[in-house]
Amino acid sequence: GNSVTQMEGPVTLSEEAFLTINCTYTATGYPSLFWYVQYPGEGLQLLLKATKADDKGSNKGFEATYRKETTSFHLEKGSVQVSDSAVYFCAPLDSGGSYIPTFGRGTSLIVHP
Amino acid sequence: DVKVTQSSRYLVKRTGEKVFLECVQDMDHENMFWYRQDPGLGLRLIYFSYDVKMKEKGDIPEGYSVSREKKERFSLILESASTNQTSMYLCASRSGTVATNEKLFFGSGTQLSVL
Repeated sequence: GNSVTQMEGPVTLSEEAFLTINCTYTATGYPSLFWYVQYPGEGLQLLLKATKADDKGSNKGFEATYRKETTSFHLEKGSVQVSDSAVYFCAPLDSGGSYIPTFGRGTSLIVHP
Repeated sequence: DVKVTQSSRYLVKRTGEKVFLECVQDMDHENMFWYRQDPGLGLRLIYFSYDVKMKEKGDIPEGYSVSREKKERFSLILESASTNQTSMYLCASRSGTVATNEKLFFGSGTQLSVL
């Protein structure tokens, strides 16, 4: 099955700083890769996804590139805002196997004005 | 927009009680999931269902059961609640067949406290 390792948080940044949240995974097959975000008091929602090697997912200024050679899917944003404060989950999905996503432990991001 | 509704935002129960957590989705999704979310552990899959009357165990099914009598409703049952089941419970749904890489839609969660 899949496993996923995310950097531990919390990550604390000032507004307009550059953000990287690392994610690496192990997979028996060729997974699809997802980032979900959980804002305070809410459930998770999809932030972006990529389904094949070298694909770049992007949304709301966030980007992540599917790196098959390093089995990584790092999340980046050039200039964070206070409203980006949330918990971010990397989630590889075992395509060709169970098709059940595996969630990382989540990385809490706190952005100060 | 897809809506996944969990019946209670907060729930307080006593040890040994039978607890029902309800989840309803309004987009005719085939797949439904129950996760629990604990600090430092992320999301762990309890049970999932690919279709009506179907259910599969996830990673931590012990102490839980589920029911899916109608397509839109997926219930999680704690047969005899224990304090170690105090947690945030998240329901999710997804369109498509068994083999799909579509995204999950989540409810807002039920924070269950077992005293």
